[in-house]
Amino acid sequence: EVRLVQSGGDVVHPGGSLRLSCAASGFIFSNYAMSWVRQAPGKGLAWVSVIGASGGGAHYADSVRGRFTISRDNSKNTLYLEMNSLRAEDTAVYFCASIRGGGYFHPLDFWGQGTLVTVAS
Amino acid sequence: EIVMTQSPATLSVSPGERATLSCRASQSVNSNLAWYQQKPGQAPRLLIHAASTRATGIPVRFSGSGSGTEFTLTISSLQSEDFAVYYCQQYDNWPPTFTFGPGTKVDIK
Repeated sequence: EVRLVQSGGDVVHPGGSLRLSCAASGFIFSNYAMSWVRQAPGKGLAWVSVIGASGGGAHYADSVRGRFTISRDNSKNTLYLEMNSLRAEDTAVYFCASIRGGGYFHPLDFWGQGTLVTVAS
Repeated sequence: EIVMTQSPATLSVSPGERATLSCRASQSVNSNLAWYQQKPGQAPRLLIHAASTRATGIPVRFSGSGSGTEFTLTISSLQSEDFAVYYCQQYDNWPPTFTFGPGTKVDIK
């Protein structure tokens, strides 16, 4: 069974930092790209970032480029999102998702449960 | 930048009726289009990929069609568990942006 278990969400002050984690099981994690998607309260889904299977090929949404860093540790089957210089508009539930079709031209097929990041003073 | 639009924003349907949801891309995304279902407090679930292929375990009452810029998700006979928000998403461009549409809420009439 594919499982993506997320952790790390918290309340943080504007300008602060936070690291989210996503632990994968039930598939060969190191073979597939992974992504982060967020959802602001009461709003729709917004893609945040994607990383290739080996850890290269990272891409970001314009809204987070230069502030967020996606990474992965294939020895621990874990995906990360390092978030710096956080703003109120980064407040959202963050989801990790797998792209198990191979490469980037495939859908987000399995999703974590989501973790809430609140940026407030 | 590829912009995805969906219509209608809200669709009120009675159980057992057919629901037709539309998704449009601002430029061709070929068949690199997915549909997701999201219920309150839950993560999205992949329903359809490659515009018309049902994901594993998805009931046959869900079907997708279209290519290029115009896509449709059809739910042939709505069940109580189908009332949710549905999002389309493209995964065609480079560098990747995985753009989502704004969603269509299907609620009970």
